[in-house]
Amino acid sequence: EAGVAQSPRYKIIEKRQSVAFWCNPISGHATLYWYQQILGQGPKLLIQFQNNGVVDDSQLPKDRFSAERLKGVDSTLKIQPAKLEDSAVYLCASRGTSGDRRTGELFFGEGSRLTVL
Amino acid sequence: GDSVTQMEGPVTLSEEAFLTINCTYTATGYPSLFWYVQYPGEGLQLLLKATKADDKGSNKGFEATYRKETTSFHLEKGSVQVSDSAVYFCALNRRNTGNQFYFGTGTSLTVIP
Repeated sequence: EAGVAQSPRYKIIEKRQSVAFWCNPISGHATLYWYQQILGQGPKLLIQFQNNGVVDDSQLPKDRFSAERLKGVDSTLKIQPAKLEDSAVYLCASRGTSGDRRTGELFFGEGSRLTVL
Repeated sequence: GDSVTQMEGPVTLSEEAFLTINCTYTATGYPSLFWYVQYPGEGLQLLLKATKADDKGSNKGFEATYRKETTSFHLEKGSVQVSDSAVYFCALNRRNTGNQFYFGTGTSLTVIP
């Protein structure tokens, strides 16, 4: 089975510029997560979707970050304008639905590494 | 709120040494517990999990037992290999919180020949 796909793998931008990351979850996975992983820290949840609805975005800095999952499949995370402290790896993960024997497991993409100069 | 605390690294071991990485959690109810591993340049992948008290998760020689009385889920391996060098994350999930996952800060392990 194909895994979670993310792009781009690497992105370097200057502060105040904008950037967008794309994620395609595993086929059939209803729940999709975006995490921010700063170097030396664990993943921090930014936003969680169930199909195309938002379940939790309480830790998303909404003044600069936005995310959408229009058709309940792939998702885009945008940062505008970027700050130096946004330098991190942005991880996308998906989770199977009930009835899937691996329903408790998160499947992660390889991540998108952002460097803000 | 829910949280996970794991021992800080980095940890450096010689090949064939015994490994323990401590993890404790705070959560109401009965969470599921996980260990994820992140090899250099790769995304996180599930190493093992346990869904209820006294369950033991195991995979690739690693084991962890869900201890409700001590709210712990320590990761152990009897004999580590160079290929085990990675960052290990403890995590918990409670279905009645919207299936959120909470991760520890990660423990970096380096195994030297």
